[in-house]
Amino acid sequence: GESVGLHLPTLSVQEGDNSIINCAYSNSASDYFIWYKQESGKGPQFIIDIRSNMDKRQGQRVTVLLNKTVKHLSLQIAATQPGDSAVYFCAEDPNQGGKLIFGQGTELSVKP
Amino acid sequence: KAGVTQTPRYLIKTRGQQVTLSCSPISGHRSVSWYQQTPGQGLQFLFEYFSETQRNKGNFPGRFSGRQFSNSRSEMNVSTLELGDSALYLCASSLGDEAFFGQGTRLTVV
Repeated sequence: GESVGLHLPTLSVQEGDNSIINCAYSNSASDYFIWYKQESGKGPQFIIDIRSNMDKRQGQRVTVLLNKTVKHLSLQIAATQPGDSAVYFCAEDPNQGGKLIFGQGTELSVKP
Repeated sequence: KAGVTQTPRYLIKTRGQQVTLSCSPISGHRSVSWYQQTPGQGLQFLFEYFSETQRNKGNFPGRFSGRQFSNSRSEMNVSTLELGDSALYLCASSLGDEAFFGQGTRLTVV
């Protein structure tokens, strides 16, 4: 069935290091992908998105890479800070009327 | 600009009861989606409404229902609550592609 999965459930990094969170998707019809950050007690917060006609998109300290050949998505966070500690979800839009398919989530822990 | 508002934030119900959750989208957003979040299943799509019409529905039993009003506010209802319905229920509104989430309603069924 449809699924968006994450390779690593937990990731621990030192403050100042770069973080990479990976995601695999299975629906070839998806043409829009989003990364969300969810802090404890809060709803998911939009970080960055990318359309399938792009391979890379950069934001402030974050970069999303899309490899459609292997159906892989990654989120890179530069100079990771303690405030980046959260659960990160990738999501895909399979063009089914407002439905997003979410991955399991990766918990990022930043050590000071 | 106010974000997505969900009420109540916390709710405790007994098995067999029914519950109604409310979501006020960002002003101007006509699409409202609902998700259930549990530790075991993650974020799962419940349904989506646009201009008072349900456009899409996830794989949940008929006990889960929703509606949208003319001002785009949405409600979801769960009847005959089961212990397994305990979860964080999230609402998201969107104008285009980007979906903005509320803080959720934490439902505990005892």
